[in-house]
Amino acid sequence: GQQVMQIPQYQHVQEGEDFTTYCNSSTTLSNIQWYKQRPGGHPVFLIQLVKSGEVKKQKRLTFQFGEAKKNSSLHITATQTTDVGTYFCAGDKRGSQGNLIFGKGTKLSVKP
Amino acid sequence: DGGITQSPKYLFRKEGQNVTLSCEQNLNHDAMYWYRQDPGQGLRLIYYSQIVNDFQKGDIAEGYSVSREKKESFPLTVTSAQKNPTAFYLCASSKALSEGWSTEAFFGQGTRLTVV
Repeated sequence: GQQVMQIPQYQHVQEGEDFTTYCNSSTTLSNIQWYKQRPGGHPVFLIQLVKSGEVKKQKRLTFQFGEAKKNSSLHITATQTTDVGTYFCAGDKRGSQGNLIFGKGTKLSVKP
Repeated sequence: DGGITQSPKYLFRKEGQNVTLSCEQNLNHDAMYWYRQDPGQGLRLIYYSQIVNDFQKGDIAEGYSVSREKKESFPLTVTSAQKNPTAFYLCASSKALSEGWSTEAFFGQGTRLTVV
């Protein structure tokens, strides 16, 4: 069945280093959403991308949606300790509108 | 304050008992979802509902049941048929589908269910 794969599963960085997580789908996605879950918390929406090749920025975060709409990435520039958490991508299951499926997430830890 | 509320935060049940997890939202959202989160597994969709009195199975619906009698409420029952019910359960809601795809989902604080 359709899957949304995320890599890496874990990433440990020194504060100030950059971080990137990648999301790949086995099928074309109509849109991609990104969420952040802090330790002990619940997922919080970051952004939604819908257009092929779309790039959006939120301060130090840059989100990209691939030209083929099968992959996406989240890049954080100069990480801070407040960036700690698990980052999830999510997309609608093909042929099943409203069935939002999530990747397994990338857990980011930042060493001060 | 508008939001989505799950209760209780922690729940303990004996094996073989059914248990119902509450989820209420006052965001006037049409769509509601139930996810299960296990360590290293991300979020897996149990059930979702796009409108009152209608719901669909997600990828792991076996052993669970839901109802959507009111727009604001989407309770999840974990039945004794669920073989491994201990997990963190998250409820979410969103506005109606926009141009055919899901919109931003708002999550509750979650319920951590432990079955002993």
